[in-house]
Amino acid sequence: ILNVEQSPQSLHVQEGDSTNFTCSFPSSNFYALHWYRWETAKSPEALFVMTLNGDEKKKGRISATLNTKEGYSYLYIKGSQPEDSATYLCAFLYTGNQFYFGTGTSLTVIP
Amino acid sequence: EPEVTQTPSHQVTQMGQEVILRCVPISNHLYFYWYRQILGQKVEFLVSFYNNEISEKSEIFDDQFSVERPDGSNFTLKIRSTKLEDSAMYFCASKLRESAGETQYFGPGTRLLVL
Repeated sequence: ILNVEQSPQSLHVQEGDSTNFTCSFPSSNFYALHWYRWETAKSPEALFVMTLNGDEKKKGRISATLNTKEGYSYLYIKGSQPEDSATYLCAFLYTGNQFYFGTGTSLTVIP
Repeated sequence: EPEVTQTPSHQVTQMGQEVILRCVPISNHLYFYWYRQILGQKVEFLVSFYNNEISEKSEIFDDQFSVERPDGSNFTLKIRSTKLEDSAMYFCASKLRESAGETQYFGPGTRLLVL
């Protein structure tokens, strides 16, 4: 079983603060890394799919970077808003079809 | 916007009973998946399915589990004889292509409770 770790497990920030989380994964047999945003009682929503070392992706105030050689990805949120409160999940694609998920980082943005 | 749907949202069953969890993937998608999340644990891959065949399965996906695409729109997960430890949230997902860079779309899940 491959180990995908996320840190921190939970985070409380004030509205307007910027924050970042880490996903670490095995550096061998890399296919892709997916980031999801998951609100309670809803479907996990795809944020980014990252496939190349050095990839940087951005969607609004959220961005992500990827380092496949050292096995980590960072997710950044600039100027957090209460609607950013959710669990952020990363998933490491080991083979063509098999994902290994992290435990998620639970973000609460305090107004 | 197209979405993956799952029914039922909640199911309670007695140990030893068979359950069928249903999913309707996005209509033009070709690759289908089941995952589960036991309370407090990570989301775990169960099985992937393409062209009416299982592509990959995890160690969790033993003989008690089966998947089927009976009618070209539904994708089902059957658990033949449920155990207490099968209690979990079960998620279906689909994607259009096999490419590693392809986005996978998840359904909202079915919460299964085995008593």
